[in-house]
Amino acid sequence: DARVTQTPRHKVTEMGQEVTMRCQPILGHNTVFWYRQTMMQGLELLAYFRNRAPLDDSGMPKDRFSAEMPDATLATLKIQPSEPRDSAVYFCASGLVLPPLAGPSYEQYFGPGTRLTVT
Amino acid sequence: GENVEQHPSTLSVQEGDSAVIKCTYSDSASNYFPWYKQELGKRPQLIIDIRSNVGEKKDQRIAVTLNKTAKHFSLHITETQPEDSAVYFCAARHTGFQKLVFGTGTRLLVSP
Repeated sequence: DARVTQTPRHKVTEMGQEVTMRCQPILGHNTVFWYRQTMMQGLELLAYFRNRAPLDDSGMPKDRFSAEMPDATLATLKIQPSEPRDSAVYFCASGLVLPPLAGPSYEQYFGPGTRLTVT
Repeated sequence: GENVEQHPSTLSVQEGDSAVIKCTYSDSASNYFPWYKQELGKRPQLIIDIRSNVGEKKDQRIAVTLNKTAKHFSLHITETQPEDSAVYFCAARHTGFQKLVFGTGTRLLVSP
C-alpha cells in the first residue's frame, strides 16, 4: 500500500530558527502539494509542483517560506526564520496527473503531516 | 477564484442514523469534487469523489450527490457507526488547475 511519507513527524523549535520539512511522494506520482492546517484557517494550499516545476506558490509567505523539489522522490518546505504564527500541521500530498488521452486523474493522497510548534 | 462553503460545522447523530453534509462552490468551471475524512491526529483520507459528468455516486454506506445547476454537492452517510466520527472536508477542483479548494470541515460525532 503506497503512501506519502513526511519527516519529521513533530518539530519544536524556537522563534528565528530554520525549519525544513521533507516529503516523499508516492512513487510515480508527478504532482506534489504542500498544505498547512490550523484550527482557525483550516486546510490552506501553500504551493504545488508538477513534474518538479513549481506551478503555484501564491499561498506561501514569500519572505520566509520556500518550497523545492530537488528530485522526483523528495519535496522540501523550508521556513526561515520561523515565527510562532507558523505553528501548524503541514501536510504534503501527491497525485498523478495523466495526459488527457489517458483520462483525467485528480486524486490527491496526503502524508501523515509534520506538526510544527514554534515557541 | 473558487470558494467552497461547507455546512454544518458540527453534526451530532445517534448510531444508526443518517448524516448529511452539504457544500456549495462558486466556480461553475469546477469539475471534480472529493470528500476527505480526517480522524483526530491523522491525515485526511479520500473516501469518495465525484466528477461533473455524474450526478450521484455510491460506495457502501456513503454516497455523494452533485447538482451542477445549483453548484452544490452533498455527502450522505447511512447507518452511521461510532467509527464514522471524524472531521469531513469537501473540496472542489477547477477545470484548468491541479489544486483543490477545501471547505472548512464538518465535525461529525456519532454517539453509541
